[in-house]
Parts: sequence; structure tokens; C-alpha cells
Amino acid sequence: GAGVSQSPSNKVTEKGKDVELRCDPISGHTALYWYRQSLGQGLEFLIYFQGNSAPDKSGLPSDRFSAERTGGSVSTLTIQRTQQEDSAVYLCASARRGHTDTQYFGPGTRLTVL
Amino acid sequence: GENVEQHPSTLSVQEGDSAVIKCTYSDSASNYFPWYKQELGKRPQLIIDIRSNVGEKKDQRIAVTLNKTAKHFSLHITETQPEDSAVYFCAASIIGTASKLTFGTGTRLQVTL
Repeated sequence: GAGVSQSPSNKVTEKGKDVELRCDPISGHTALYWYRQSLGQGLEFLIYFQGNSAPDKSGLPSDRFSAERTGGSVSTLTIQRTQQEDSAVYLCASARRGHTDTQYFGPGTRLTVL
Repeated sequence: GENVEQHPSTLSVQEGDSAVIKCTYSDSASNYFPWYKQELGKRPQLIIDIRSNVGEKKDQRIAVTLNKTAKHFSLHITETQPEDSAVYFCAASIIGTASKLTFGTGTRLQVTL
């Protein structure tokens, strides 16, 4: 079946602009994660959605970052007033239920803030 | 919260040799330890995982060992091949709780001919 998809694949924006990144998880997966991966670095957890529960936002680096998940499926990560340090690859992953289920990653969105 | 440390950050081995990547974790309650492989320009993919009720798990050329007393676990790759070249991430979590998966910082493995 279809895997996790993300759009856009690349996004170049100017400092101060807002951006929206989209994630389509695998159908039926109730868990959805957003990670940030800076060049050559590890996976930085941002936010986690599980079903109808309140999301775990503990990884969001500032209040410029927010995410929502509509209808328990598609998720959008929004970065307001982008800064150059926001430049990274943003990865989305979904899992069947929770933290100990295999996470299937999307291809990522490469964000470049000029 | 959980803290996972991973070593080495880079590792170069000759084709056919073995490679070992080590991780330590801080939360003694952690009992689920997956390993993800990320090839250059691609997404991370799960390659093997282990739960704390076992000390070792093997899948062909890949094995993972767990020492709960010392709070460390390792990935072993035998008979390395060029296609093993990638970044490997370890992670830790607690089964059945809301604690998220905490990843290590990654090890870049280079298998040379």
C-alpha cells in the first residue's frame, strides 16, 4: 500500500515568512510524529499525535511552531516568521498505534530559509 | 526524560569486516530499543528492534544485544557490504506508556572496498 507522503518535497522561503508542511500518514495509522533533521544531525522530536488524545508538543522549539491533525489523518506543521535556523529536513512518521510500533517515515520536506 | 547516547559518530570498516555501534540510555524503565537505518538522501527505516525480555536478537547479518543492568545496547553487523553504508540511529522507549521514542544522534557507517 501507499507509504507516508509529504509535501512539498522542497521549500525555499524568505526569512519572516510563514510556511506549511503537509504529511499524509499511512491509512489506518493512529500515531503521527514530526521530526526535524538538520544537516548531518540526528532526529529531533517535535510533536506527536495519537488518535483523539491531546498531542505531545514537548519537542516544539518555540511558539512559532505549531501542528494540527485534522480528522485523525493528514497533519500540517506550520512555522511562523521563519528564521534561518529553521532550515532543515522535516520528517513525518506514522505508526499503527504508538511508540513501540514501527515508525514509517515519509521522504521529508527540505526547508531552506534565506 | 530519557537520554540516549550513541557512539561512535562515524565508523569506517573494510568490506567483510564487522561493525559495532553502541548506545546507552538513562531511564531504567525503557524496555523497547529499535534501530533505524538512513541511507544517503533517503528516509529512516527500521532494521531491527529488541525488547527487554531478551538479551540478543539476530536477523541474518544483523544482531542487537541488550544489557539492562548497564543500560546499554549494541548493533552488530557482520560481513559488512557497501550497501550497509548509511547512518544508523538507535532509540529507546517504554512499552505501553505515553513516553515517546528517544533517538540517539546517529552513527555514519562507511564500508570501504
